[in-house]
Amino acid sequence: AIQLTQSPSSLSASVGDRVTITCRASQGISSALAWYQQKPGKAPNLLIYDASSLQSGVPSRFSGSGSGTDFALTISSLQPEDFATYYCQQFNSYPWTFGQGTKVEIK
Amino acid sequence: QVQLVQSGAEVKKPGASVKVSCKASGDTFTSYDISWVRQATGQGLEWMGWMNPNSGNTGYAQKFQGRVTFTRDTSITTIFMELSSLRSEDTAVYYCARGDYYLGNAFDIWGQGTMVTVSS
Repeated sequence: AIQLTQSPSSLSASVGDRVTITCRASQGISSALAWYQQKPGKAPNLLIYDASSLQSGVPSRFSGSGSGTDFALTISSLQPEDFATYYCQQFNSYPWTFGQGTKVEIK
Repeated sequence: QVQLVQSGAEVKKPGASVKVSCKASGDTFTSYDISWVRQATGQGLEWMGWMNPNSGNTGYAQKFQGRVTFTRDTSITTIFMELSSLRSEDTAVYYCARGDYYLGNAFDIWGQGTMVTVSS
């Protein structure tokens, strides 16, 4: 199975900060990667698909980049509602796997 | 707006089975694959497998092979996930999620989750 390793596991940031979360795959997955945001007690919400395509309705401060084995999710200016846990997921091959998550907390 | 509505919380004893339902609203039930994802308390997301409601084809993560079964009833636009031989480690929230081929199979719609507690 393809392993996805997210960095960092958690981070503290302030409103207005630029935040970048990385996701490294154990083998090449082309652009078959999605990013989700999850808030406590809620289902995950799709932010990015195909590594860099913004899901409809998601604010443009979210962006994704990368291909092959190295990917990133960037929040250009962190807003209060962005404090949550973020997960990457690969769709290159079964089993579809998730990263372990990155918790973004308020500094 | 398509929605996935799951059945309510369950409490089961070790060794028992649980069956969770996921009802899709709208008329696109058979057009998208549905996956099941679980999340233990305070832990990450774990993909269990997928089902195509149109064909009935399924695919299971190896970890769950032999213990999990996905079925569907197209007349009520509902998909079921049954997990057998439950153990305490199966205590988790179970989600169904719609995969959209045009979004690279990413999960754009999720159910609200079903808490399954396994305890003696």
